Amino acid sequence: EAQVTQNPRYLITVTGKKLTVTCSQNMNHEYMSWYRQDPGLGLRQIYYSMNVEVTDKGDVPEGYKVSRKEKRNFPLILESPSPNQTSLYFCASSTLEQAGGHETQYFGPGTRLLVL
Amino acid sequence: DAKTTQPTSMDCAEGRAANLPCNHSTISGNEYVYWYRQIHSQGPQYIIHGLKNNETNEMASLIITEDRKSSTLILPHATLRDTAVYYCIVRERYDSWGKLQFGAGTQVVVTP
Repeated sequence: EAQVTQNPRYLITVTGKKLTVTCSQNMNHEYMSWYRQDPGLGLRQIYYSMNVEVTDKGDVPEGYKVSRKEKRNFPLILESPSPNQTSLYFCASSTLEQAGGHETQYFGPGTRLLVL
Repeated sequence: DAKTTQPTSMDCAEGRAANLPCNHSTISGNEYVYWYRQIHSQGPQYIIHGLKNNETNEMASLIITEDRKSSTLILPHATLRDTAVYYCIVRERYDSWGKLQFGAGTQVVVTP
C-alpha cells in the first residue's frame, strides 16, 4: 500500500530536549516536504527536498533541521525545542511533476507535538 | 493578500449535491484554480484543479465561470465522510514549487 508514515504520532517533551520526527514514503517520490499547522495560521511549509541531498527552506525553517540521505526518508529534527514549536506536523511526498503542478501530494497522518 | 474568498461554513444533507463557491476576482490568466480538503487533523487531500474549462474526476466537478472570477466545487452525492474543511486556492503551476498555502476555507458538515 502506498503511504507516508510518520513517527511518533503524538509526543510530549520539554524545552531543549532534542527530538526527531521520522517520515518515510514507499512510493519512490523525489519530492518530500514538512509542514506545520496551527489554528488561525493555516498550513505553513518548514522545509522541502527535491531529491536526495537536496533540501531547501520553506516559510518557517527557524528552529528546525532536515536531512535527505535516502530517497524514502526525510526526518525533521528539533535540536532545542521550544513551546512555540507546539503544533501539528505533516510530512508529504509526491513526484516532482505533481509537486510542481500542485497536484496530488501524499500526506502522512500527522504528528502532534507538545513542548512544555 | 487573500486571493480567494469562501463562505466560512455550510451544511449539506447526505446524498445531496454539495455546491461550494469560491470567489477569485483578481485571478490572472496563468493562474489555475485548485481545490483541496482536510478532514479533521488529517493531511490535506487534493481534489481537483482547472484553468478555464470545467473539470470532473472521480471525486468532484469544478465549474469555472466564463470570466474566471469565481468557481464552484460540486460534490455530487455527499457522504458523511465528506465532512471536512475545503480550500480553494489560485496560483500558477510550478510557482513556489510544491508549497501549499491555504486560507481559512469552508467547513462543510454533511448531516444524515
